[in-house]
Amino acid sequence: GDSVTQTEGPVTVSESESLIINCTYSATSIAYPNLFWYVRYPGEGLQLLLKVITAGQKGSSRGFEATYNKETTSFHLQKASVQESDSAVYYCALGGRSNTGKLTFGDGTVLTVKP
Amino acid sequence: NSKVIQTPRYLVKGQGQKAKMRCIPEKGHPVVFWYQQNKNNEFKFLINFQNQEVLQQIDMTEKRFSAECPSNSPCSLEIQSSEAGDSALYLCASSLQDTQYFGPGTRLLVL
Repeated sequence: GDSVTQTEGPVTVSESESLIINCTYSATSIAYPNLFWYVRYPGEGLQLLLKVITAGQKGSSRGFEATYNKETTSFHLQKASVQESDSAVYYCALGGRSNTGKLTFGDGTVLTVKP
Repeated sequence: NSKVIQTPRYLVKGQGQKAKMRCIPEKGHPVVFWYQQNKNNEFKFLINFQNQEVLQQIDMTEKRFSAECPSNSPCSLEIQSSEAGDSALYLCASSLQDTQYFGPGTRLLVL
């Protein structure tokens, strides 16, 4: 089946440092997967952070970026300079080109940013 | 930010009791999903609906869970006879243009 593997946390970085959370996927049932990063801030629900549907393209939001790399089956999340408010749990997910298909999630990466 | 509403936020039940949770999807989103997120942060797809009809569901959902998404009423997910292993966060999502938007979840504790 489909699967997503991401950096095992917890990850702790200091404010203004750079960040990369790795995500690799295996899409055996989906020919052209859509890739997502979701985030859950403390006390809040799961929110969409960014989405990319085309291989080779980059998505960005709130200073975060992720590039859909079909060759390496990766979708790593990066930020050049993190802030304390970025402390959250980050989930990589893949889905199909269909409004009705389920998402397959990674296990999440807990990020703590120290002031 | 998502406008999916889930109630209640917390639910405590004894083993063997029924547990029912509700979801109001975002207006205009035609597909509704239910997922279970366990204490290890693992997501499990349970069931999805489009226009009140079930599209897909897993075996577990067929046997002990009942779910519906009537028109003009909240969607609901009910566990007929709760087990300790059902303790989890239940997430409802509605989908538009291949993207799912999640509610805050109902956290179920089965004692």
